[in-house]
Amino acid sequence: SAVISQKPSRDICQRGTSLTIQCQVDSQVTMMFWYRQQPGQSLTLIATANQGSEATYESGFVIDKFPISRPNLTFSTLTVSNMSPEDSSIYLCSVASSGANVLTFGAGSRLTVL
Amino acid sequence: KQEVTQIPAALSVPEGENLVLNCSFTDSAIYNLQWFRQDPGKGLTSLLLIQSSQREQTSGRLNASLDKSSGRSTLYIAASQPGDSATYLCAPGGGQNFVFGPGTRLSVLP
Repeated sequence: SAVISQKPSRDICQRGTSLTIQCQVDSQVTMMFWYRQQPGQSLTLIATANQGSEATYESGFVIDKFPISRPNLTFSTLTVSNMSPEDSSIYLCSVASSGANVLTFGAGSRLTVL
Repeated sequence: KQEVTQIPAALSVPEGENLVLNCSFTDSAIYNLQWFRQDPGKGLTSLLLIQSSQREQTSGRLNASLDKSSGRSTLYIAASQPGDSATYLCAPGGGQNFVFGPGTRLSVLP
């Protein structure tokens, strides 16, 4: 299965600032997924990132707040913009292997907004 | 819209017990179902994947079953160990769209 490197692993940010999370995969993948896990909660899909096209956002998530880039088949970034304490979460990048549709996750980025 | 529940929400057992974790989902039109483990503050580790055409999958002390028509999956952990302590999440998948359950938080006491 794919190996995913995600950074930063954690960060503490001030209200009103923005943070970009990077996700690097060791193989080419068509679709990359960004999830959010709020404290004590399960995972919620933010958006699906396809190379060469705009990301597809789930209900409740908008591009202005969570802009995503997907410049090639092995890399994606998620920016959390104009952060507030409610954005404190773990953000996870994942990919689905072709064929078997097995989801593989990065280690996550733990974000705390003060 | 797929909705997933997991029972129990939390479980604390002494080492050596055999465990059953339950997952229910509302939309049976799935391609597969994946079980994950998550350690505190960490990412997810895939444990088992069951394709919709399969009834069960086994990996070591773990066995997962799937009853697609009734919308249920069960994760069985044999001879539990303290290292099994984690949150276990199930995720039924419809194509490449996975919906996660809230998880079962497991604590195995030495």
